[in-house]
This record gives sequence, C-alpha cells and structure tokens, in this order.
Amino acid sequence: DIQMTQSLSSLSASVGDRVTITCRASQSIRRSLNWYQQKPGKAPELLIFGASSLQGGVPSRFSGSGSETDFTLTVSGLQPEDFATYYCQQSYSLPYTFGQGTKVDIK
Amino acid sequence: QITLKESGPTLVKPTQTLTLTCTFSGFSLTTNGVCVAWIRQPPGKALEWLGLIYWDDDSRYSPSLESRLTITKDTYNNQVVLTMTNMDPEDTATYYCAHAAGIAAAGYPFDSWGQGVLVTVSS
Repeated sequence: DIQMTQSLSSLSASVGDRVTITCRASQSIRRSLNWYQQKPGKAPELLIFGASSLQGGVPSRFSGSGSETDFTLTVSGLQPEDFATYYCQQSYSLPYTFGQGTKVDIK
Repeated sequence: QITLKESGPTLVKPTQTLTLTCTFSGFSLTTNGVCVAWIRQPPGKALEWLGLIYWDDDSRYSPSLESRLTITKDTYNNQVVLTMTNMDPEDTATYYCAHAAGIAAAGYPFDSWGQGVLVTVSS
C-alpha cells in the first residue's frame, strides 16, 4: 500500500493568513493526488484533483501543487469558513489511501 | 446533479453482518470509467478507503478488510451494496459512499459523497 503522510495533525491560523498543508507519499504517485475539506459532522468535499486542478465551485484561494511524492495545498487568504480538516488522498494505485488529516483551527 | 445516500442499520451486534445500501442519482454505473467507493471514518479519526465497484462490475477492496467485504451493484435500481461480515466494535464508524469518474493522470477523485451513516457496533 502507498502510505500518505500529512506531517502536521493540526495548525492554528488567523483569518487572512496564507496557509500551507503538506502531504508526502511513500512512493511516486505522479500527480494522482486529491485534497478534501471536511467540516465537523459533514462529508468530505473535493477541493483539488490531479495535484493542482481546482474542482468546480471551489474558491480560487485554494491551490495545489507538487508531483511524485511531495504535495502542497495552499489557502491564500484564509476565510472563516475554511477552518476545517483537510485530507490528501492518492488515486494512483489501489488501495486509494488517505492521509491522517490536518486540522486548521483559529489562532 | 449527482447525489448519493447511504442507508442501513445504525446499530449492529458484534459478529453480525452489516449491509449498507448506497442509492444514487445523476449518473449511471454502466458508464465507462465510473465507480462508486465506500469510505469509513471512526469517530474523531481519519478517513479509510474500504473498496469500490467499477462500471464493468469489477470490485476491489482494502487488503486489510478484503476477507470481510463484498461490494455489489444493482444497476436497475441505481444502488450499490456494501456487506461487511463479523462486525467488531472497532468497526464503529461513519460509512460513506462516493462517486468517482476516471480522469487521465488523476485517477479516481471522489467528487460527490453521501451524507454518511454512523454505524455503532455494540452488544
């Protein structure tokens, strides 16, 4: 199985901050990396697919980058509704594994 | 618009078999490249991919749970069924189904999710 590691389990930030969340794969997954946002009591929502493609309807302050094993999700100008948990997930090879999540909370 | 909804028991006893149904609309599970996956999330913990079924009836499972899982589809009724045998309290989780369509160089991102159903395993 490919292991997905999000190095930070949580981070604190303020509204307006630029936030970067990282994800590392245990082997190359090319660009088959997806990012999800999950709010308490809700299902996850797809933000970014293919490492850097923005899902329809997702604000442009969200962006993704990276390839092979190292990936980044950036939120440029954190908004109150962005305080949530973010998960990376690889869809390069089965089983499609998730990272452990990074919770973004209010500083 | 794609929608999915999970249904099934919210309480099962240890050793029992869990059967969950995902009823969907807005897409066909006969369309080339489409799949429906099952993902679960224990309370306060991370997401765990369980398995999926493709448009061509091929199903794949998490290696750690493969012996306990079966995923089937009922194309006529737009449903996907997850069966998990020998339930244990550690299987207590919210179970989600999700839609994905294959994208070149991106694999199968889960672009639509059901609301989830919390299943508690307890005697």
